[in-house]
Amino acid sequence: EPEVTQTPSHQVTQMGQEVILRCVPISNHLYFYWYRQILGQKVEFLVSFYNNEISEKSEIFDDQFSVERPDGSNFTLKIRSTKLEDSAMYFCASKRVGNQPQHFGDGTRLSIL
Amino acid sequence: AQSVAQPEDQVNVAEGNPLTVKCTYSVSGNPYLFWYVQYPNRGLQFLLKYITGDNLVKGSYGFEAEFNKSQTSFHLKKPSALVSDSALYFCAVRDVEGGSQGNLIFGKGTKLSVKP
Repeated sequence: EPEVTQTPSHQVTQMGQEVILRCVPISNHLYFYWYRQILGQKVEFLVSFYNNEISEKSEIFDDQFSVERPDGSNFTLKIRSTKLEDSAMYFCASKRVGNQPQHFGDGTRLSIL
Repeated sequence: AQSVAQPEDQVNVAEGNPLTVKCTYSVSGNPYLFWYVQYPNRGLQFLLKYITGDNLVKGSYGFEAEFNKSQTSFHLKKPSALVSDSALYFCAVRDVEGGSQGNLIFGKGTKLSVKP
């Protein structure tokens, strides 16, 4: 069964540095998402992406965040200048269309020092 | 605002016994409801969904959930729990306000522990 894959599984970065989290969604999916989960807290929506543009973003997704689909397979989340509070598990998800369920990757654990 | 509540942080069940993980929701229109399971160091794995139709929805690994509109609930159930069912379970509602692309709003999760 096709899966959403995320790399790296764990990223350690100094505060203030830029970080790029990578995702390869399922190949025939059209909707792409990033979520994050701070340790011990609930999963929170960050951004959705459809038709090569952001379709919705949450309050968390400020100017430090950006997403890109540079080619036909990758979907990236960039944090321009990381802060300590960015430390979390970041999940990528994709879905084919409409009411189909979102499929999640295994996540990237981001640790900001 | 749309929200999901999972009132129990943890549910403990003996293997072979039935299990229930509770979820209530608040939405402005018709809810699209989902259950996901998270095993340690893994992503969220889809279990089942309710969009429309029968109130009892069957999903993966023998799980089912009952949609109850009057009680705004979507409790996850399984007739006979397995030790391997031990994991973190998340209820989610799809955000349908403002023409969104359907991002999910999650509950805080319930840890299910099944003892032999």
